[in-house]
Amino acid sequence: DVKVTQSSRYLVKRTGEKVFLECVQDMDHENMFWYRQDPGLGLRLIYFSYDVKMKEKGDIPEGYSVSREKKERFSLILESASTNQTSMYLCASRRAGGRPDTQYFGPGTRLTVL
Amino acid sequence: AQSVAQPEDQVNVAEGNPLTVKCTYSVSGNPYLFWYVQYPNRGLQFLLKYITGDNLVKGSYGFEAEFNKSQTSFHLKKPSALVSDSALYFCAVRPMNYGGSQGNLIFGKGTKLSVKP
Repeated sequence: DVKVTQSSRYLVKRTGEKVFLECVQDMDHENMFWYRQDPGLGLRLIYFSYDVKMKEKGDIPEGYSVSREKKERFSLILESASTNQTSMYLCASRRAGGRPDTQYFGPGTRLTVL
Repeated sequence: AQSVAQPEDQVNVAEGNPLTVKCTYSVSGNPYLFWYVQYPNRGLQFLLKYITGDNLVKGSYGFEAEFNKSQTSFHLKKPSALVSDSALYFCAVRPMNYGGSQGNLIFGKGTKLSVKP
């Protein structure tokens, strides 16, 4: 059974703090993604990674960075958290290849920045 | 610009009645199409996808979706709704024959399905 896990389900941080969100997948997938989900806006792609040490900006990368040192782990970093980064963060992974393989999602981390 | 539209923010259905959640898309070339479901405080779960072939795709939990190329639609359907189907549903599209960043999924904004007993 496929599995994507995220380090925290709920997180509360203060403005200006550095925040790390961790995502681990056990499917040996090459591609990994970070999205944020906000009511009325759906899912918006922050960053994605093709493979280890490879990353590309998504639609809304400002204020975020990522790290992929190992194939199974993809970290999202908020260098200096702000209140407008309060959101649900979803990680996903997918096998690379020509056919569009399904993205598998983690349970999400609900981040509140005070 | 490539996009996905879910025209209804919310769909209300009585239990036992058929349900439809609408999705239309605009992409270059032929698309790959997906439906995902999100239960409260959970991540997204894959329901079904259209790659090629038969326009009617069957997925998990009794859901199906019909690809209509002329109308650029991929509506999600179920013959008889259950209260447990109440959730947030997302349509997503990926342009065919695109790799890299152009091959990423584009999500709709989601439709909240509410099934009442």
